[in-house]
Amino acid sequence: NAGVTQTPKFQVLKTGQSMTLQCAQDMNHNSMYWYRQDPGMGLRLIYYSASEGTTDKGEVPNGYNVSRLNKREFSLRLESAAPSQTSVYFCASSEARITVYEQYFGPGTRLTVT
Amino acid sequence: GENVEQHPSTLSVQEGDSAVIKCTYSDSASNYFPWYKQELGKRPQLIIDIRSNVGEKKDQRIAVTLNKTAKHFSLHITETQPEDSAVYFCAARRQTDSWGKFQFGAGTQVVVTP
Repeated sequence: NAGVTQTPKFQVLKTGQSMTLQCAQDMNHNSMYWYRQDPGMGLRLIYYSASEGTTDKGEVPNGYNVSRLNKREFSLRLESAAPSQTSVYFCASSEARITVYEQYFGPGTRLTVT
Repeated sequence: GENVEQHPSTLSVQEGDSAVIKCTYSDSASNYFPWYKQELGKRPQLIIDIRSNVGEKKDQRIAVTLNKTAKHFSLHITETQPEDSAVYFCAARRQTDSWGKFQFGAGTQVVVTP
């Protein structure tokens, strides 16, 4: 099993450009998440999908959109990138049923917006 | 919403000594508290977790304690080794939230010096 995979690993964008970060999991998990990680600020939740067909805002959703394409895939889109979106982005998934909460993270995407 | 504070932000210990990281949470309805370890350039990975019906849990050299009255939980690493050097994140899950949704602390950079 590959677990959680993300593409691309690195990306440089100019201000105003758009891009989509891809995430896929092969563990048949119900829930998927997008986080951003900035120095000294931990992991902040951008959007999550509790189950296929649903998405909800997290702590820092402004400037992002998501699509839960199917049970395996959850993408994050930046419509008009800004320097403040320079960060490392992690996708995660979890089985998310009663008593089973562990989140499994992807390898991350390092995004720089100039 | 839930707010998780983590201290200290950095911790330097001599190899063989113990390390303690403390987190406080705000929502008394929180019922699950995981700890994740993130090595440099890698993804966060779960190392230990504790549920609100348990006061302490151990796994070899690591242990977590929970004080529900005071709303804080701590990670204890004994006999530290160089491979324990990493960033450690605590998190809390509110009982009312979607199963797998966490609030993470800001992280503690642990450096183990030989």
